[in-house]
Amino acid sequence: QKEVEQDPGPLSVPEGAIVSLNCTYSNSAFQYFMWYRQYSRKGPELLMYTYSSGNKEDGRFTAQVDKSSKYISLFIRDSQPSDSATYLCAMSRYSPGTSYGKLTFGQGTILTVHP
Amino acid sequence: DTEVTQTPKHLVMGMTNKKSLKCEQHMGHRAMYWYKQKAKKPPELMFVYSYEKLSINESVPSRFSPECPNSSLLNLHLHALQPEDSALYLCASSSIQGSTDTQYFGPGTRLTVL
Repeated sequence: QKEVEQDPGPLSVPEGAIVSLNCTYSNSAFQYFMWYRQYSRKGPELLMYTYSSGNKEDGRFTAQVDKSSKYISLFIRDSQPSDSATYLCAMSRYSPGTSYGKLTFGQGTILTVHP
Repeated sequence: DTEVTQTPKHLVMGMTNKKSLKCEQHMGHRAMYWYKQKAKKPPELMFVYSYEKLSINESVPSRFSPECPNSSLLNLHLHALQPEDSALYLCASSSIQGSTDTQYFGPGTRLTVL
């Protein structure tokens, strides 16, 4: 079983729809949760970062973490064709005494928003 | 400014060539990373440098040789690569402050090995 599970999709939605992207994880030591957006042939771009359980909102994006269920979500409101990309969830755990992190990625969900 | 730059953007090389990939960040981050990403897969960690010292080598073949000349620069030297090494090579940097950890990625170098 992978530490982080993410449905690879693909997911196709009409413009203006609300998109829900999800990841589950098995390692309760994960403390930091991130969502990256990656356009084709580009590097991943950090979209959202959360540390604790609860919601975090940034414009049309809302990240949700439920540590008790080991479940994280990214919601995109009023989706636009420019949101078409691969969305990667990533998580890490803090290791005292180290000065770097080690990310565990989900497989990525391919999203297409059609006009 | 959360920018990590990488050069070149594209690289085509033969199996006997020697080439280098370069990465630069000016965010004052003291951890830098090399990842390899194949199509439709998430990035795979190759190396981690922390305070200019190699901290993690994820059992990467010796034909990949990382170098960290200073806190802003990270190189990846390539020699005698195989066609299966063709991939997008990503550099990232991060700053661990207290309990936070965020990695910022560069645009990548798309490598083709003939």
